[in-house]
Amino acid sequence: GENVEQHPSTLSVQEGDSAVIKCTYSDSASNYFPWYKQELGKRPQLIIDIRSNVGEKKDQRIAVTLNKTAKHFSLHITETQPEDSAVYFCAACFGNEKLTFGTGTRLTIIP
Amino acid sequence: SQTIHQWPATLVQPVGSPLSLECTVEGTSNPNLYWYRQAAGRGLQLLFYSVGIGQISSEVPQNLSASRPQDRQFILSSKKLLLSDSGFYLCAWSGQTDRMNTEAFFGQGTRLTVV
Repeated sequence: GENVEQHPSTLSVQEGDSAVIKCTYSDSASNYFPWYKQELGKRPQLIIDIRSNVGEKKDQRIAVTLNKTAKHFSLHITETQPEDSAVYFCAACFGNEKLTFGTGTRLTIIP
Repeated sequence: SQTIHQWPATLVQPVGSPLSLECTVEGTSNPNLYWYRQAAGRGLQLLFYSVGIGQISSEVPQNLSASRPQDRQFILSSKKLLLSDSGFYLCAWSGQTDRMNTEAFFGQGTRLTVV
């Protein structure tokens, strides 16, 4: 089955700087890669996703890149703000199969 | 629009007692349904996955079971809770478009404390 690894497990960046979180996946057939943000005590919520037919997707300060050959994808947050502090999860799946999540990254934005 | 309901929000149960957590989805049909557990400060551990009524995949050996008696109802159960069953339980659903997964939507979660 699919295995997703996520790094780093914790990340601290100065407000205004960029943050990058990386994930690798094992199943080369995987074709859907969402990213979720979980604030303390709340449910995870989708912030951006990408399918395997594109290499990059951007939504304001958030972007995701996908390298199918290397089987890795990354989340980029630019101009970070205090409200970006949260736990971020990547996930991967093939077709209609189950979503497999990474282990999460705790991002702290330092004012 | 689609919504997901999960209850209760918090639960304190003694060791050895039974458990039943319920999750229902509205506004969609034939959803994929998930139960996840999240230990404090940890990641999302997939417990059960269902693609249809009566179709349950168990991801890890454990003290828990799941059932899907109706298309949009997913129940997580235990006959006898252990201390190690404490955690934050999340139900989720995802749709299907052209046999491709759509994003997963999570319920509010149930914080279970076994004492």
